[in-house]
Amino acid sequence: ETGVTQTPRHLVMGMTNKKSLKCEQHLGHNAMYWYKQSAKKPLELMFVYNFKEQTENNSVPSRFSPECPNSSHLFLHLHTLQPEDSALYLCASSHEGQRSSYNSPLHFGNGTRLTVT
Amino acid sequence: QKEVEQDPGPLSVPEGAIVSLNCTYSNSAFQYFMWYRQYSRKGPELLMYTYSSGNKEDGRFTAQVDKSSKYISLFIRDSQPSDSATYLCAMTSAGGSYIPTFGRGTSLIVHP
Repeated sequence: ETGVTQTPRHLVMGMTNKKSLKCEQHLGHNAMYWYKQSAKKPLELMFVYNFKEQTENNSVPSRFSPECPNSSHLFLHLHTLQPEDSALYLCASSHEGQRSSYNSPLHFGNGTRLTVT
Repeated sequence: QKEVEQDPGPLSVPEGAIVSLNCTYSNSAFQYFMWYRQYSRKGPELLMYTYSSGNKEDGRFTAQVDKSSKYISLFIRDSQPSDSATYLCAMTSAGGSYIPTFGRGTSLIVHP
């Protein structure tokens, strides 16, 4: 079991539904990330939170809405998704200083497999 | 040109073979290099983490960085069917963005 837990593991939703993905990290990290992984494509960074502040929003459509209430929890709220949004959604965490020279590697959860029908 | 290039494979080898997985990159500012292993239906797990040039060994795995050629490799000795997975390289620069740039991943199949 990893130090980053994602729920649910699988999610099937219709295009008009609203659902949320949850991520929790038990590693004492202060940065959390959402990635999208589609077949045969590189990992796509969606959002980054550092010290609970959103520092990156990689041109993600507004139908994806992140929430980071504290440094251990991260949510991804989903609404009116499209079939092409079907993918594996990965959460990751790391320990980051204030733009320090030390770069902590990312630790990933096992993802939520999302299918949009 | 993509910042990080990685052949997606699949790479199929017999059990016991030495496997070489590679990535090339274009950004000379990259200083930290990582290899992740991702099994089917799992998230990527950190396998090796190296700084700057040189080699790092951990059991059957050796990570090699050649900054002059902008080329990194992961060698797996005595490969096992349990090594069958997708291997992703990732890299970051020192003092700049701490968010890693990932390759597409190489699918490795080790058959008995």
